[in-house]
Amino acid sequence: DQQVKQNSPSLSVQEGRISILNCDYTNSMFDYFLWYKKYPAEGPTFLISISSIKDKNEDGRFTVFLNKSAKHLSLHIVPSQPGDSAVYFCAASVGGSQGNLIFGKGTKLSVKP
Amino acid sequence: DTGVSQDPRHKITKRGQNVTFRCDPISEHNRLYWYRQTLGQGPEFLTYFQNEAQLEKSRLLSDRFSAERPKGSFSTLEIQRTEQGDSAMYLCASSLTGFYGYTFGSGTRLTVV
Repeated sequence: DQQVKQNSPSLSVQEGRISILNCDYTNSMFDYFLWYKKYPAEGPTFLISISSIKDKNEDGRFTVFLNKSAKHLSLHIVPSQPGDSAVYFCAASVGGSQGNLIFGKGTKLSVKP
Repeated sequence: DTGVSQDPRHKITKRGQNVTFRCDPISEHNRLYWYRQTLGQGPEFLTYFQNEAQLEKSRLLSDRFSAERPKGSFSTLEIQRTEQGDSAMYLCASSLTGFYGYTFGSGTRLTVV
């Protein structure tokens, strides 16, 4: 049973436009959420995170939104750049654990020049 | 410090053989994690250490798997009597306590033939 779901396997966006990647979760005990970016032949790279006590966190071109009532989070990238083309993973953690991140299956983002 | 190092990058082994992977974390990081990633899936938690203590193990970590971090620095992951289902990318990550944004290594790709 997948606790973290990324229902879009892929997304294609034009350079300069907004990319919106979505993630849904089922476990109401999750209290910390993260996004990772992964290029081929490399390990995932931490991008941005959000605590469940917040509904928005921004870091440069990246913003994560959390809707706890809907158990939904999204990552917005504005403006999108070709170098953003990668697989993006959503991950979640139960409070106190920290060691055990539950990852989604990922969404492959392609930003076209 | 150049990040998290994993060795080897690739390993091909015959079914039934034992394999051992090594991970060197970022030197000041006290936490070290092992994850496994199969094709089309996100990383799945295996185990993690705080210093030399193994604090959590996933049910995915069968008795054929063992991980150590003898002096709280590097770690090894051993798989005994490998099976074809063990074929995957094995990822190591490290962090400081209290920080969820792990730094991942590039992984060891295991192929069991």
